[in-house]
Amino acid sequence: GAVVSQHPSWVICKSGTSVKIECRSLDFQATTMFWYRQFPKQSLMLMATSNEGSKATYEQGVEKDKFLINHASLTLSTLTVTSAHPEDSSFYICSARTGTNEKLFFGSGTQLSVL
Amino acid sequence: QKEVEQDPGPLSVPEGAIVSLNCTYSNSAFQYFMWYRQYSRKGPELLMYTYSSGNKEDGRFTAQVDKSSKYISLFIRDSQPSDSATYLCAMSARYSSASKIIFGSGTRLSIRP
Repeated sequence: GAVVSQHPSWVICKSGTSVKIECRSLDFQATTMFWYRQFPKQSLMLMATSNEGSKATYEQGVEKDKFLINHASLTLSTLTVTSAHPEDSSFYICSARTGTNEKLFFGSGTQLSVL
Repeated sequence: QKEVEQDPGPLSVPEGAIVSLNCTYSNSAFQYFMWYRQYSRKGPELLMYTYSSGNKEDGRFTAQVDKSSKYISLFIRDSQPSDSATYLCAMSARYSSASKIIFGSGTRLSIRP
């Protein structure tokens, strides 16, 4: 299957700082990438959908100024958590779709801890 | 009512048993059905992908789709402790770049040695 690389796998930061998470499709061009948030023992919560070269579409209740998404190329999307606070601590996962079918491939996730 | 319903478990079975995982859905437009396996603190891994109704087999895994009943299943034969994980069903309607994939809440599976 297709490979999606996500970095970093974990990050600890101080409250008020910004954190950037990268998601790369290594062996295919990802026309669409998705960002999810997951709390312990809960399912995936879709935060936003990004298409290469256009603005991301955010789900209801997700602050677009808080979670900045950039999908500048067909292989890279970034999520920046701005002015992070302890309540932003969570497991963030990206996924990518090839553009030819519905198969969705996931990154390995990023555990964010805000102190 | 959620679009996709999945029993959260946990489900605990002995090693070697046949495991049956299921999801029901309400949207008759769903045509693409997937099963993902997620280990703790990892991203989900695509296990099975099925279009429309029918069965699909891959090694110890069999996926079944019954569109008339809006019911999908994943069977795991000869279950192993390494199969212990959370299993997520996922589905979507006709493909487009904007189409969303809807996930079930996941079933936590534990295989006892």
